[in-house]
Amino acid sequence: QVQLQQSGAELAKPGSSVKISCKASGYTFTSYDISWIKQTTGQGLEYIGYINTGSGGTYYNEKFKGKATLTVDKSSSTAFMQLSSLTPEDTAVYYCARSTYGFAYWGQGTLVTVSS
Amino acid sequence: DVVMTQTPVSLSVSLGGQVSISCRSSQSLVHNNGNTYLSWYLQKPGQSPQLLIYKVSNRFSGISDRFSGSGSGTDLTLKISRVEPDDLGVYYCGQGTQYPFTFGSGTKLEIK
Repeated sequence: QVQLQQSGAELAKPGSSVKISCKASGYTFTSYDISWIKQTTGQGLEYIGYINTGSGGTYYNEKFKGKATLTVDKSSSTAFMQLSSLTPEDTAVYYCARSTYGFAYWGQGTLVTVSS
Repeated sequence: DVVMTQTPVSLSVSLGGQVSISCRSSQSLVHNNGNTYLSWYLQKPGQSPQLLIYKVSNRFSGISDRFSGSGSGTDLTLKISRVEPDDLGVYYCGQGTQYPFTFGSGTKLEIK
């Protein structure tokens, strides 16, 4: 069955970076884009962008340009999202999701907490 | 960006009852290819969102026929019939017609 397994919770200091992973299994990795979504209590669900897992091509929501960098390692069927120059406003749960007509499969989420 | 407005913010329903959730978009969700990419998700407590409905009215694999989606253009609706205890959580609509994709702010369903 399709599974997206994300890396564990992160506690980071302001100004630092974190890199979250999303390992896919149960399907042909390069056949579907992987999207990333931010969830906070205040802002709800926000779409960060996606990566074409075959070509490595990316799209970023304007709001997250310069904040998020999406990459992929086809050999391990893993997608990554690096968040840089972290501020307390980046504290959130981040999800990866497989994109088709909707987000049919989601990872379990990675909590990133930014605090000094 | 397309703004998705969901109503109500919360609702309470008796087991076996029926509810409707509205989602209105600030722009038409009809894509140039004629499809309308509007999905509905349920986020149960402590879990990731799960896809219920895609392209307005198509139930995702394994989703009960108690869930139905309808509407067109900018006015979409999710209907849940014969509500069960496992239906509680927060329901979100989401559009995939125009980048950046956007979501409604959610409707919390409580069981009386």
